[in-house]
Amino acid sequence: SQQGEEDPQALSIQEGENATMNCSYKTSINNLQWYRQNSGRGLVHLILIRSNEREKHSGRLRVTLDTSKKSSSLLITASRAADTASYFCATMIWDKIIFGKGTRLHILP
Amino acid sequence: NAGVTQTPKFRVLKTGQSMTLLCAQDMNHEYMYWYRQDPGMGLRLIHYSVGEGTTAKGEVPDGYNVSRLKKQNFLLGLESAAPSQTSVYFCATKDVTGTTHEQYFGPGTRLTVT
Repeated sequence: SQQGEEDPQALSIQEGENATMNCSYKTSINNLQWYRQNSGRGLVHLILIRSNEREKHSGRLRVTLDTSKKSSSLLITASRAADTASYFCATMIWDKIIFGKGTRLHILP
Repeated sequence: NAGVTQTPKFRVLKTGQSMTLLCAQDMNHEYMYWYRQDPGMGLRLIHYSVGEGTTAKGEVPDGYNVSRLKKQNFLLGLESAAPSQTSVYFCATKDVTGTTHEQYFGPGTRLTVT
């Protein structure tokens, strides 16, 4: 089974609302990253949080990491139509980077 | 700079045929990765390389082989294609000299095995 599991699998919210996605993983990690994928395209890196960090911000993105619970969350504030995409967490274990199954986010106008 | 490119973009194979997917990068990155993406499964790591002449197995290596003869190229081979290998294949690179650990992805190759 895969290292990372995102929750929920799909999320629909109104434009302007906040979107929260969660990721749980199984083994100890060096860091955790979040990526976005627009339909049919390659993935784009959003943000990285190291195993010794608890929270990180980048623009409208806020990421938290709880290594004791082996979980992370991605918050997108003031959502926009352009945020419609799939979001994946990726855990780095030495040289490997393992992805979860993703959350499909749909922003409603 | 082209970044990460993948050849071909689309391919249809018959069961038992062989083919090679090419990933090329002009960013001088040491690490390269091959993933496959199936509906509802996210990306699964097939093989990866930490430098020229090295390869290592990922989560789902069976049925695939790889080679990294040159730093800028990472080849993924299917010796005898099976319908279960129908998928979208993504290549990614990573720079080990920086601190971001960010992966850069190619546009993908859509492979159908009939």
